[in-house]
Amino acid sequence: AQKITQTQPGMFVQEKEAVTLDCTYDTSDPSYGLFWYKQPSSGEMIFLIYQGSYDQQNATEGRYSLNFQKARKSANLVISASQLGDSAMYFCAMREGRDSWGKFQFGAGTQVVVTP
Amino acid sequence: DVKVTQSSRYLVKRTGEKVFLECVQDMDHENMFWYRQDPGLGLRLIYFSYDVKMKEKGDIPEGYSVSREKKERFSLILESASTNQTSMYLCASSPRDTFYNEQFFGPGTRLTVL
Repeated sequence: AQKITQTQPGMFVQEKEAVTLDCTYDTSDPSYGLFWYKQPSSGEMIFLIYQGSYDQQNATEGRYSLNFQKARKSANLVISASQLGDSAMYFCAMREGRDSWGKFQFGAGTQVVVTP
Repeated sequence: DVKVTQSSRYLVKRTGEKVFLECVQDMDHENMFWYRQDPGLGLRLIYFSYDVKMKEKGDIPEGYSVSREKKERFSLILESASTNQTSMYLCASSPRDTFYNEQFFGPGTRLTVL
């Protein structure tokens, strides 16, 4: 069964606007971590932000913030003030605490295109 | 600067060839992973290793094998390449014990099997 679901295959956003990328997850483990990565057209995976299941506050890193709604099992990424360089594929991933090997489950990704 | 490197960015092979994809990390990480990435499917785990000479199957190990003779190096082997193995292959590494650590990725190898 799919553990990470990203329902938006692609979206367009205008420069300087905010965009929200959806991510829902499925786990019965009370301990888990959620990660967002950016993959530009060059192919490298760039880590953006992390949220732990026990974290009380939503994670923020510069223009990136994570809207963590534990009861709904969602971890949406918000990019504020979009820039042309934000055009990329974005992946949501989860690590479950019971997995001692540190394996990640990845979603299918959302392609973001920022327009001038 | 921490780094994961992969031996090739682009590779073209013929059906039936044996293919080696090499990955090297300089962060002294215990865990290393091989993924393949296909449109609409995200990243799928092929194999991972948590120590030298140790390996575990991921979600899609069929048609692949791996080798980890040294801590810093993790190789993916396609014993007899087939066209359905045309894909982007990504290597990653992470330290073992820190739960919140991200995986660090290499630049990827885009493999085409003709």
